[in-house]
Amino acid sequence: DTGVSQDPRHKITKRGQNVTFRCDPISEHNRLYWYRQTLGQGPEFLTYFQNEAQLEKSRLLSDRFSAERPKGSFSTLEIQRTEQGDSAMYLCASSHGMLSADTQYFGPGTRLTVL
Amino acid sequence: DAKTTQPTSMDCAEGRAANLPCNHSTISGNEYVYWYRQIHSQGPQYIIHGLKNNETNEMASLIITEDRKSSTLILPHATLRDTAVYYCIVRTNNAGNMLTFGGGTRLMVKP
Repeated sequence: DTGVSQDPRHKITKRGQNVTFRCDPISEHNRLYWYRQTLGQGPEFLTYFQNEAQLEKSRLLSDRFSAERPKGSFSTLEIQRTEQGDSAMYLCASSHGMLSADTQYFGPGTRLTVL
Repeated sequence: DAKTTQPTSMDCAEGRAANLPCNHSTISGNEYVYWYRQIHSQGPQYIIHGLKNNETNEMASLIITEDRKSSTLILPHATLRDTAVYYCIVRTNNAGNMLTFGGGTRLMVKP
């Protein structure tokens, strides 16, 4: 059984560049979540998918951010025109969605550094 | 979701039980108590959750008071690898309900 995987684990980019992160959820999990975590803080919710449908977005998700889950399996999070304030750990989580206790399981995260 | 209050930090001696408290006085009837931990630079790890009854799994025990206004996570025999930030989260299990993380408790297990 493989857990949630994320790629890349680390990304360093220059301000103004676009970056894309990938998340592969646990097999058969139909819910997928993105969170962001800055240094010293707890994770903050960004967005959520039920299968391929994006059902909820946080106000933290500015128009430079876009997330997709085209076939209801893996998901991508793209940040356009990166800013130094985007430097953070981006976490993905998935849950089954069909059980009474819908526990979310997290991946290892992608650490983004914007220079 | 209800707000939780946890101590900022705690120490525990290796091999002893670590008891991490959490207050959630505004919890409502359909809200679960979840515990996650985060070891430095890793993603949060699910530990345990409960609604009303006490729960135990291979990692920990969760004790919820009868009025459900507080709970305690117990690591029965803490090891150095249990050093982490522990988050107590209260949430419903409605479809798609996100997790709202507070500051958590930084547990330091010392030899």
